[in-house]
Amino acid sequence: AQKVTQAQTEISVVEKEDVTLDCVYETRDTTYYLFWYKQPPSGELVFLIRRNSFDEQNEISGRYSWNFQKSTSSFNFTITASQVVDSAVYFCALSEANYGGATNKLIFGTGTLLAVQP
Amino acid sequence: EPEVTQTPSHQVTQMGQEVILRCVPISNHLYFYWYRQILGQKVEFLVSFYNNEISEKSEIFDDQFSVERPDGSNFTLKIRSTKLEDSAMYFCASSEEEGGSYEQYFGPGTRLTVT
Repeated sequence: AQKVTQAQTEISVVEKEDVTLDCVYETRDTTYYLFWYKQPPSGELVFLIRRNSFDEQNEISGRYSWNFQKSTSSFNFTITASQVVDSAVYFCALSEANYGGATNKLIFGTGTLLAVQP
Repeated sequence: EPEVTQTPSHQVTQMGQEVILRCVPISNHLYFYWYRQILGQKVEFLVSFYNNEISEKSEIFDDQFSVERPDGSNFTLKIRSTKLEDSAMYFCASSEEEGGSYEQYFGPGTRLTVT
């Protein structure tokens, strides 16, 4: 069965600190996709990154970086030099690859509320 | 940049009433989804829709729920007889591709309040 665990319910940091959000997933499939979404106080879901199970390269995008490790079933997200605007709930999500017209639902974790204090 | 839109942004209804939540997916997308987020909780999958039929639905999506694509642009979620526990944010999403590398684009959500 698919499952996404975000053990950190809430993290508070001071601006300019680095922060890592943890995500652990469970799946029986060998082909799957992992995602991070940001939900700011305004409520919308903002796509941040997608990773497929065959690509374990870490990725960096500006102040954001992602560490995907299949050996530990983890897909952690680090924000470097955090800013107040980073304050949001961050969701990790998993989708298994289905072919032949089937759709791919996202299984979300419970989210981590990040509060960046000035 | 194309985006998913949802109307209304906030709907207040009385228990037992029917509500229809509307979504306009991105125009060239083929796969459509509804998700629900009860306040303070995680986002939960409700239903996926492709080729004018439901592809998959969750346990939450019982007989009170239905989806429809009445024309070439709208995608609707109907709740026939709302209950207090239906109060949540409802997100519509769409995606272009199947099976492989894809991304679901989410709308801004409709906050449903059942009183």
